[in-house]
Amino acid sequence: ETGVTQTPRHLVMGMTNKKSLKCEQHLGHNAMYWYKQSAKKPLELMFVYNFKEQTENNSVPSRFSPECPNSSHLFLHLHTLQPEDSALYLCASSQDPFLNYGYTFGSGTRLTVV
Amino acid sequence: QQQVKQSPQSLIVQKGGISIINCAYENTAFDYFPWYQQFPGKGPALLIAIRPDVSEKKEGRFTISFNKSAKQFSLHIMDSQPGDSATYFCASEVSSNTGKLIFGQGTTLQVKP
Repeated sequence: ETGVTQTPRHLVMGMTNKKSLKCEQHLGHNAMYWYKQSAKKPLELMFVYNFKEQTENNSVPSRFSPECPNSSHLFLHLHTLQPEDSALYLCASSQDPFLNYGYTFGSGTRLTVV
Repeated sequence: QQQVKQSPQSLIVQKGGISIINCAYENTAFDYFPWYQQFPGKGPALLIAIRPDVSEKKEGRFTISFNKSAKQFSLHIMDSQPGDSATYFCASEVSSNTGKLIFGQGTTLQVKP
């Protein structure tokens, strides 16, 4: 177990559905991140939360809505997605938002939009 | 947009051989360079990282070589094993003291028995 747990592992949703991805870290880290991983592309940073506050929105469409109720939990709310949003969504955490000691990633949620 | 360029896209190596993956970055202010290893169905895991005050860092069979003047760094896997077959990502910090990483495109390594 990596210490970062993502649920669900797989999700198939229609373009009119609303769903949420959940991430939980048990490491006492203070920063959490959402990344999108598509085939043949680098990991794309979506959102950054430091001490529960959103500090980065990397030009992500509004159909993706993050929520960080506390330092241990991070959600990604999805609505009216497009087929091109199908990808692996990875959550990561790090100990300190200002000093880089590396990320711990979860195993991801494989999202398919039909 | 700042990038990290990684090559090759895929690599096949015989067991016992040396695997070499290269990355180039753009911003001289970057000061943290990690490598991540990802197996199918798993998230990336931190493998080894280097800061630019040293030119080389070794951990077991894995070595990072860093060339600050050329803005390049590479991962060397010595005595490659079939269990090393995975996708490898280089990364660098977007800007100093932000904790944000940008990643290379990834290299799929296959080590043949």
